[in-house]
Amino acid sequence: NFMLTQPHSLSESPGKTVTISCTRSSGSIASNYVQWYQQRPGSSPTTVIYEDKQRPSGVPDRFSGSIDSSSNSASLTISGLKTEDEADYYCQSYDDSNPWVFGGGTKLTVL
Amino acid sequence: EVQLVQSGAEVKKPGESLKISCKGSGYSFSTYWIGWVRQMPGKGLEWMGIIYPGDSDTRYRPSFQGQVTISADTSISTAYLQWSSLKASDTAMYYCARHYGGYMIDYWGQGTLVTVSS
Repeated sequence: NFMLTQPHSLSESPGKTVTISCTRSSGSIASNYVQWYQQRPGSSPTTVIYEDKQRPSGVPDRFSGSIDSSSNSASLTISGLKTEDEADYYCQSYDDSNPWVFGGGTKLTVL
Repeated sequence: EVQLVQSGAEVKKPGESLKISCKGSGYSFSTYWIGWVRQMPGKGLEWMGIIYPGDSDTRYRPSFQGQVTISADTSISTAYLQWSSLKASDTAMYYCARHYGGYMIDYWGQGTLVTVSS
């Protein structure tokens, strides 16, 4: 089993760029796809990135995903921040025993 | 359009039993794994367990094994999460979600808030 570690919180100003990291504790980050979910207050999560870097239709191209094998981590980058991007963000991966391994979540504040 | 519609909020006392539901529509319910995710107040997402409605193959996260039961009824395209004896620590939002591709969630239910209090 492995864990995914995210920063607890981040804040940035509108129009800026923010990057949320997600570090895998054991095993290679590249061996299993990473997804990112956005959860606004009072709502169910929605997918903003799947398969490491793919955006579902309807998600603006301000959202991008990547993986870095050297740091064994995945990243979600949001550029041109808007107040509507304020939300909790969760990374997720999997292994043979666990279909959904979630990171602890990052609370993004846009102020 | 794929939808997962969950049953409404519940308020229960410790020791009571409960069964909440998740009805799928807009797709072949029997052929996609459906899972349950717990979100305790102010906390993150935790995978609880997952079921393949087509043959009722069910997997539980070890920490939830024996604490809950997951089932499904393909005749009405509905998955269930049940407790035989609730505890205050079961107070949480519970989401059902569709497992896609063997590695991700593509659809979520709207959530069912369960409150357990004496």
